Formats: sequence, structure tokens, C-alpha cells
Amino acid sequence: DSGVTQTPKHLITATGQRVTLRCSPRSGDLSVYWYQQSLDQGLQFLIQYYNGEERAKGNILERFSAQQFPDLHSELNLSSLELGDSALYFCASSATTGDLADTQYFGPGTRLTVL
Amino acid sequence: DQQVKQNSPSLSVQEGRISILNCDYTNSMFDYFLWYKKYPAEGPTFLISISSIKDKNEDGRFTVFLNKSAKHLSLHIVPSQPGDSAVYFCAVISSGSARQLTFGSGTQLTVLP
Repeated sequence: DSGVTQTPKHLITATGQRVTLRCSPRSGDLSVYWYQQSLDQGLQFLIQYYNGEERAKGNILERFSAQQFPDLHSELNLSSLELGDSALYFCASSATTGDLADTQYFGPGTRLTVL
Repeated sequence: DQQVKQNSPSLSVQEGRISILNCDYTNSMFDYFLWYKKYPAEGPTFLISISSIKDKNEDGRFTVFLNKSAKHLSLHIVPSQPGDSAVYFCAVISSGSARQLTFGSGTQLTVLP
């Protein structure tokens, strides 16, 4: 158990809908990272927040957005969902400097299925 | 255009022998390299990392080698154990102000008892 929690575990929705994925980092970790793992794209870094501020941005679509709240939990919002958004979404957290090279601890993931 | 390639989707090794997982990258601006392991239905777990100023880093049974001239990264596991059976991802981080983290496609390692 990494100490990172993600809810929900599974989510099934329809095209065009909007969903919110939630992540609680390990106690004391200031950084939260979001990743997408789909069958054809592998594991892709989406975005990083450090102490409430956006720190690094990867291949995140404009239909996706994230935020980190004062209690350090984070939410990933996915809107206008398409079939291709079906994937595993992982959250990770790290404690040290907020650099991408910090050791990251991953949650178990949220499996999103778009029908 | 893939910047990070793991050309072997799978690898089978006998228990006790050495496992060598490979990763090639194209961009000389990458300055930090990592390996993650992933079991089914779990998130990835950090294994070992190396910065571009080194060519080798060891942690127990795991050693990462970096060949900057060949733009090649490898992970050696000695001795391999059945519990090492998992998908292994290499990841690279680009230097500079707009740092990016890019993963390879992964290699499924199976250690046979």
C-alpha cells in the first residue's frame, strides 16, 4: 500500500459526459501527479501540482483539467468524454522538492470506461 | 515520434539468472532516468534512478546502466526471482525549465521458476 488513495476505483459513463477523479496523496506529500494509461498510448504524464500550484504539464488535453486543494488532495476533471478517453488514470504523490525526479508513490488507479 | 523506446515487449528469464531490460531514447536533453515496475491491478512502483552525470547506479539486486553516447539505458536484475515478474517501464526527464516526463511502452518480464 503506497498510502495514495484514489476514488472511485471504477467509473463507467457515456460519451459527452463529465467526470471527476479524486486523489488523496500520502500524508505530508506536497506534490500530486496525474497519469493516463491506455492500451495504445502506454503510460502518459498529464500534469503535476505542487502545494496547490501547477508545476509541470505533460500531454493533457484541453478537455481535461486538474486542481489541488488546500488540504492537498487533487481532482482530475475530464469533460466531453470520448471513447478514446477510456483508460486507467493514476495519481502519484511525492514529498521532496516538487521536481519530476522526486520519488513518486502511485495510487491503485481509477479505471474509466466511456461507452 | 517516440522519444523513449522499449523495443522488447516481453522477456522470459529463468529464476536465478540475470534479467536485462533495455530502453533507448532519442533526445540528448534528457538528464534523469528512472525505472518503474508494475504489477497487474496496481499502480507503478519506483525501482531505481540515475542522473546523466553517472553511468551506473546499484540498489541491491537492481543496477541501472546509462550509456549516454548510445542513448541507451538498461536495468539488470541479478538474481531474478519469480516475484520480479511484472511490467517494467523506463522513464526519462528532460532538462531545462519546461521539464517533461516521458515513459517507454513497457516490457513484460516473466521469471520462470
